[in-house]
Amino acid sequence: QKEVEQDPGPLSVPEGAIVSLNCTYSNSAFQYFMWYRQYSRKGPELLMYTYSSGNKEDGRFTAQVDKSSKYISLFIRDSQPSDSATYLCAMSAEGGSQGNLIFGKGTKLSVKP
Amino acid sequence: KAGVTQTPRYLIKTRGQQVTLSCSPISGHRSVSWYQQTPGQGLQFLFEYFSETQRNKGNFPGRFSGRQFSNSRSEMNVSTLELGDSALYLCASSPGGSNTIYFGEGSWLTVV
Repeated sequence: QKEVEQDPGPLSVPEGAIVSLNCTYSNSAFQYFMWYRQYSRKGPELLMYTYSSGNKEDGRFTAQVDKSSKYISLFIRDSQPSDSATYLCAMSAEGGSQGNLIFGKGTKLSVKP
Repeated sequence: KAGVTQTPRYLIKTRGQQVTLSCSPISGHRSVSWYQQTPGQGLQFLFEYFSETQRNKGNFPGRFSGRQFSNSRSEMNVSTLELGDSALYLCASSPGGSNTIYFGEGSWLTVV
């Protein structure tokens, strides 16, 4: 079983839809969770950072962590064509070092006008 | 504040050659890491440097090496290039003491 699993998609939704992106993980020690957005031929951009369980909201984006189910989600409300990108989840058990980050392979999202 | 800068952005090399990629981190960031991204494997961690010392290393062969200079700028080198080394190489920086990292735009390497 891979440490982090992420459905690669592609996921296609109409403009204005609510998008749900998910990752599951196997390591119960993970406590730092991140979502990155990567546009085509660009580097990943940090979207959301969450420590431990719970929800975090930033504009149209909500990150949710359920440690009991080892499941994290990113919700995008009122999706826009500019949200079309690949979304990567990342997580680690420890803070302080980049080498502990484990990334999902990314979900490709397409928002149609 | 300028972001992470990587050079060159695109390059084509021949099998057997070597390549050096450069990364300038965000000002004030002392930790630099390198990742390889391919469609099949996703993002894979290569190594991390902090204050000129390699702090972590991923599971890559010794052909992949790196270093960090006193001004936090970093380089990575791949020797004896193979076709499978074709990938997007990403550099990321952080202040240190954090696993919140900020990526550059990447260097696209094609090995022919």
